[in-house]
Amino acid sequence: NFMLTQPHSVSESPGKTVTISCTGSSGSIASNYVQWYQQRPGSAPTTVIYEDNLRPSGVPDRFSGSIDSSSNSASLTISGLKTEDEADYYCQSYDSNNHEVFGGGTKLTVL
Amino acid sequence: EVQLVESGGVVVQPGGSLTLSCAASGFTFDDYTMHWVRQAPGKGLEWVSLISWDGDSTYYADSVKGRFTISRDNSKNSLYLQMNSLRTEDTAFYYCAKGPERPAIFHGMDVWGQGTTVTVSS
Repeated sequence: NFMLTQPHSVSESPGKTVTISCTGSSGSIASNYVQWYQQRPGSAPTTVIYEDNLRPSGVPDRFSGSIDSSSNSASLTISGLKTEDEADYYCQSYDSNNHEVFGGGTKLTVL
Repeated sequence: EVQLVESGGVVVQPGGSLTLSCAASGFTFDDYTMHWVRQAPGKGLEWVSLISWDGDSTYYADSVKGRFTISRDNSKNSLYLQMNSLRTEDTAFYYCAKGPERPAIFHGMDVWGQGTTVTVSS
């Protein structure tokens, strides 16, 4: 089964830049769109990146997404970190079995 | 403003049944794929099921296939999840989420509801 692997946690200081990776287990991650979701404690998820690198309205341009075919990975980069960015982040794509797939999530700590 | 409001979450015994509902507003409901996604306590997100804009196509996670049924009533702007043969491992927060506009089906979710809690316990 297709899987997406994320680091369990990352941490960085306010004002810095952090990148969260999402690696596909098989096939080409570039073949299907990747989305990224933010989930703050006690809240529902919200979309921060869709179709690999597009931002929904209202999401600041500090958030960006990219695909690296050579490593079969997607990445979410957050620049100018703020304490409000502290949350769990999930990547998501879909597989050849017509299943949507989520990564295991990455806990971002801004300290 | 797009809004999704889930309801129907309760405590149910193992082997029992339950139907969740999701009321949608603020968009043309019958133009969009819809999803159910769940999150067990302290765990990550797990996709459960999706239904195409016209209801003709449905897909399920292996963990619920044969036990859960997704449906929609476009005349009522509503999404449903019928859950049968419930197991303790189905205990989770269940989110309704809006998918892509037709004809796309597999482009993830863009708006999420606030969720409803299902607890399966004796």
